[in-house]
Amino acid sequence: AQSVTQLDSHVSVSEGTPVLLRCNYSSSYSPSLFWYVQHPNKGLQLLLKYTSAATLVKGINGFEAEFKKSETSFHLTKPSAHMSDAAEYFCVVSSYNFNKFYFGSGTKLNVKP
Amino acid sequence: DAGVIQSPRHEVTEMGQEVTLRCKPISGHDYLFWYRQTMMRGLELLIYFNNNVPIDDSGMPEDRFSAKMPNASFSTLKIQPSEPRDSAVYFCASSEGTSGGSFQETQYFGPGTRLLVL
Repeated sequence: AQSVTQLDSHVSVSEGTPVLLRCNYSSSYSPSLFWYVQHPNKGLQLLLKYTSAATLVKGINGFEAEFKKSETSFHLTKPSAHMSDAAEYFCVVSSYNFNKFYFGSGTKLNVKP
Repeated sequence: DAGVIQSPRHEVTEMGQEVTLRCKPISGHDYLFWYRQTMMRGLELLIYFNNNVPIDDSGMPEDRFSAKMPNASFSTLKIQPSEPRDSAVYFCASSEGTSGGSFQETQYFGPGTRLLVL
């Protein structure tokens, strides 16, 4: 069975400080993993994805994530938060036969000036 | 490309009325997805189509919900009759299809339709 857990429902950081949004998954097989961002009143937008290539994945707006199979994690990081990063972030895993997406419950990132 | 287009952006209706949500996917995309987002349940996949054919509708909550894709450039999600618990934001998304399967590909989301059933 596939599932994904986002460990924090809310994260608050100051502008200019690092961002860490945590995601753990369970999968019987090597999964495909994604991070999507949703700004207020907008649809979701892909930040980055892992599909069994390099384990360190770079995305848009300075975000990156590292696939760690031994820890079943795919945490999202950014060295320096910007006010425009305030949004909700979703970690997503696809099933081994690629026929379903499993969305995490989301993490709301607040960036303080 | 204009991206995924959804209409209407906002819909307010009374319980018992029929509601039709519309979606135009990105040209050339083989897959189309309908999602529902609520505070209580988060983001839920309702149904998806491949080449206009419904593949998995296991997420459709009940018979009051139906979805069609008469051609590659148009899909509808209909609720009849609507109930207050259907109030949510409904998203349409589309993606390309490859030999690796659709769910490895990026999904492009529309702006959503915010539905309020009174």
